[in-house]
Amino acid sequence: KAGVTQTPRYLIKTRGQQVTLSCSPISGHRSVSWYQQTPGQGLQFLFEYFSETQRNKGNFPGRFSGRQFSNSRSEMNVSTLELGDSALYLCASSSHRDQETQYFGPGTRLLVL
Amino acid sequence: GQQVMQIPQYQHVQEGEDFTTYCNSSTTLSNIQWYKQRPGGHPVFLIQLVKSGEVKKQKRLTFQFGEAKKNSSLHITATQTTDVGTYFCAGRESGTYKYIFGTGTRLKVLA
Repeated sequence: KAGVTQTPRYLIKTRGQQVTLSCSPISGHRSVSWYQQTPGQGLQFLFEYFSETQRNKGNFPGRFSGRQFSNSRSEMNVSTLELGDSALYLCASSSHRDQETQYFGPGTRLLVL
Repeated sequence: GQQVMQIPQYQHVQEGEDFTTYCNSSTTLSNIQWYKQRPGGHPVFLIQLVKSGEVKKQKRLTFQFGEAKKNSSLHITATQTTDVGTYFCAGRESGTYKYIFGTGTRLKVLA
């Protein structure tokens, strides 16, 4: 089975712009979660989707949003980018039966200038 | 909210020495997972522990889940340079059901 894929892998944006990141889960996985990883804050939970419904949301401002499509692919959007949004954004998928184990993609490294 | 702390934050060991990282949650976890992230890589699932007091082994790695299901440990025997990376524990936050990662322990192995 192919693993979790994320596009793009690297991105450079300027303050005030918006960005959309994409994640394709492992085939058959219906749950997708997003995380932000920074050296100072570690791995912070953004949101979790299951069957196109947001199941859970972390403590991030409303500028961070996401969605999941009927094929389980997911996107996250960050509007009005700030310098502090520079981070590695990781997507993880899990199967319906074993929802605790997360399989991570390679991440999208976002740099905001 | 729930916090999952790991100690130590960093650990440098000589190759061949043992290494242990401890994971402590402020609340009870239904189960716990451990992940390893190599430098420049992404977290990779290692193991899941479910039962109170459970101990699991993977070659040189030994994982333990505390009796109260609030703490866990990962012990590596005779470290190798391939063990370099950051080790994270993770689990579901009781109540909100958010998946929370521990703060991580970065291991460096000196040859």
